[in-house]
Amino acid sequence: GIQVEQSPPDLILQEGANSTLRCNFSDSVNNLQWFHQNPWGQLINLFYIPSGTKQNGRLSATTVATERYSLLYISSSQTTDSGVYFCAVSNTNAGKSTFGDGTTLTVKP
Amino acid sequence: SAVISQKPSRDICQRGTSLTIQCQVDSQVTMMFWYRQQPGQSLTLIATANQGSEATYESGFVIDKFPISRPNLTFSTLTVSNMSPEDSSIYLCSGSGTGGSKQYFGPGTRLTVT
Repeated sequence: GIQVEQSPPDLILQEGANSTLRCNFSDSVNNLQWFHQNPWGQLINLFYIPSGTKQNGRLSATTVATERYSLLYISSSQTTDSGVYFCAVSNTNAGKSTFGDGTTLTVKP
Repeated sequence: SAVISQKPSRDICQRGTSLTIQCQVDSQVTMMFWYRQQPGQSLTLIATANQGSEATYESGFVIDKFPISRPNLTFSTLTVSNMSPEDSSIYLCSGSGTGGSKQYFGPGTRLTVT
């Protein structure tokens, strides 16, 4: 099956700093999503982005499908951005996603 | 978007017993899935819940251990049978449209087996 690698595994920032999270995948995909799991465990869908670039407030994401990677940018980080960020991909029409191991982000005040 | 609820939110169960987790979606979704997340780890897909037919299980998961029902487009149940401490985990329900659409998750059920 498709392999998903996320980097870095852990990231510690001061409030206000910017960061870039990366997701590499081993095969072509028809579905790529970024999720944020908050400290209480709830998974929030940040972006559905199989290709191209999208922005939502301080967050943006870019997927370069031909080169099999996606980037999640967080600008002016806040303590509420802390948690685990997951990349999930699919290359079938069955809708099921394979998740990467995640990046654990800690934003310090 | 879809709002997904799960019951119970958490439970502590004894070895050898079974627990049924309920998942309710506020709108019709094409696909429903059950995932497991062990402490500090990523999500692992258990199965796809198919409406009115048997679920499709991933490698390493079997129907006898994790029976799943999906009687309609907005409701599904997952049973964890004959539990052991290794089943202690968070169980997550998820829903989406067809293959090319956003996926939404419930808040999870935190299961501890003693």
